[in-house]
Amino acid sequence: EVQLVESGGGKVWPGGSLRLSCAASGFIFDDFAMNWVRQAPGKGLEWVSGCNWNNSSRGYADSVRGRFSIFRDNSKNTAYLQLNSLRAGDTAVYYCTRGTRTDGMDVWGQGTTVTVSS
Amino acid sequence: DIQMTQSPPSLSASVGDRVTITCRASRDISNFVAWFQQKPGQAPKSLIYSASSLHSGVPSKFSGSGSGTYFTLTISNLQPEDFATYYCQQYKAYPHNFGQGTKLVIK
Repeated sequence: EVQLVESGGGKVWPGGSLRLSCAASGFIFDDFAMNWVRQAPGKGLEWVSGCNWNNSSRGYADSVRGRFSIFRDNSKNTAYLQLNSLRAGDTAVYYCTRGTRTDGMDVWGQGTTVTVSS
Repeated sequence: DIQMTQSPPSLSASVGDRVTITCRASRDISNFVAWFQQKPGQAPKSLIYSASSLHSGVPSKFSGSGSGTYFTLTISNLQPEDFATYYCQQYKAYPHNFGQGTKLVIK
């Protein structure tokens, strides 16, 4: 069964850091790009970041560029999102997705919640 | 950045109706458009890729069309389980922005 399982969410103070993980199973991990999408409470979906199969191409939303960093470890079938300089506006459920250049995203994880608050 | 303008923000319809949601891209993105469905408290579900191709297991009542800057999602014969929020997304170039979403509610 194809599965993505996120972890690493939690409550953090403004200015703090977190590292989210996305463990993949049931498919050949390095055949796919990986993405992170978030959803603030009561709001719509926001694409946050994506990377290709070998980390050579990475993209970021304007709202997180310079603060967040995406990377993957194909030997561990895991993608990561490093969140630095967190703000209240980063409070959201963070979803991990897989995708391809031609077919976009197809599989989603169940999400992990990040709360930035003092 | 490529912006996706989705309309309407909300849509009221009855069981059995057919509805259409539109998305406009701020520049030509060929057919690099996807559509997603999200129900309250759940992760989104992928419906359509490449503007008009259905993901495996998605019923044929969902259809997508368009190319360039104008795209539509049509849902036929609405059933209670179809009332949800729908999002378009472009994946032509980073950042892969979503539309604002359309909440489909029962009339």
